[in-house]
Amino acid sequence: GAGVSQTPSNKVTEKGKYVELRCDPISGHTALYWYRQSLGQGPEFLIYFQGTGAADDSGLPNDRFFAVRPEGSVSTLKIQRTERGDSAVYLCASSLQAGDTYNEQFFGPGTRLTVL
Amino acid sequence: GNSVTQMEGPVTLSEEAFLTINCTYTATGYPSLFWYVQYPGEGLQLLLKATKADDKGSNKGFEATYRKETTSFHLEKGSVQVSDSAVYFCALYRSGYSTLTFGKGTMLLVSP
Repeated sequence: GAGVSQTPSNKVTEKGKYVELRCDPISGHTALYWYRQSLGQGPEFLIYFQGTGAADDSGLPNDRFFAVRPEGSVSTLKIQRTERGDSAVYLCASSLQAGDTYNEQFFGPGTRLTVL
Repeated sequence: GNSVTQMEGPVTLSEEAFLTINCTYTATGYPSLFWYVQYPGEGLQLLLKATKADDKGSNKGFEATYRKETTSFHLEKGSVQVSDSAVYFCALYRSGYSTLTFGKGTMLLVSP
C-alpha cells in the first residue's frame, strides 16, 4: 500500500514569503505528526493531530507556523514570513492512532525547504 | 525534560566489522526506546524497539538492549555490510506525550 507522501519534495523560497507544505498520511491513520530536521540534527517535534484537531502544538517555534487537517486526512503546514533559519527538512509521519502506548509512526520522505 | 544523546559520527567501518553505536537517554518514568534508520534518499524507518527494561529489540542482525540502570540503548551488529551505510537515530517515546524525541543521529559508512 501507499506510504506517507509529502509535496513538494523540494521548495526554494525567498525570505519573507509564505509557503505551504502538504502531507498525505497512510489511509486509515488517524494520527498525523510534523517534525523538523535541521542539518546535522535529529527530527524535532512540531505538532500532532488526532483526527482533525491539533492535540499538541507545543513544538511550533512561533506564531509564523500553523498547521491544519480539516478533514482528518491530508495536512498542510503553513509558514508565514519565512526566515533563513526556517531552512530544514520537514517530515510528516502518521500512525493508526495516538495514545498512551506507542503506535508505530511511519515517516514520509520529507520536504526540503530552503529560504534564501 | 526528555532527551537522547548518541555518539557523534561518522562511524567508518570495513565490511564484516563489529558495530556499536552508543545511545543514552534522560526521561522520567518508563519510556519506550527505538532505533530508526535513514538510508540515503529515503525516509526514516523503524529498525527496532524495546518497551521495557531488559527487553532486547532485534531486526536485520541489529540488536539493542534496554538498560534502565545505565539509561542506555546501544545499537550493535556483529558483522556490518556495505548496505548498512545510513544514518541511525536513537529515539524515545513517553506515554502521554504521543511524540518521539530523537538523538542527533550517527552516520555509518561501511566500505568493502
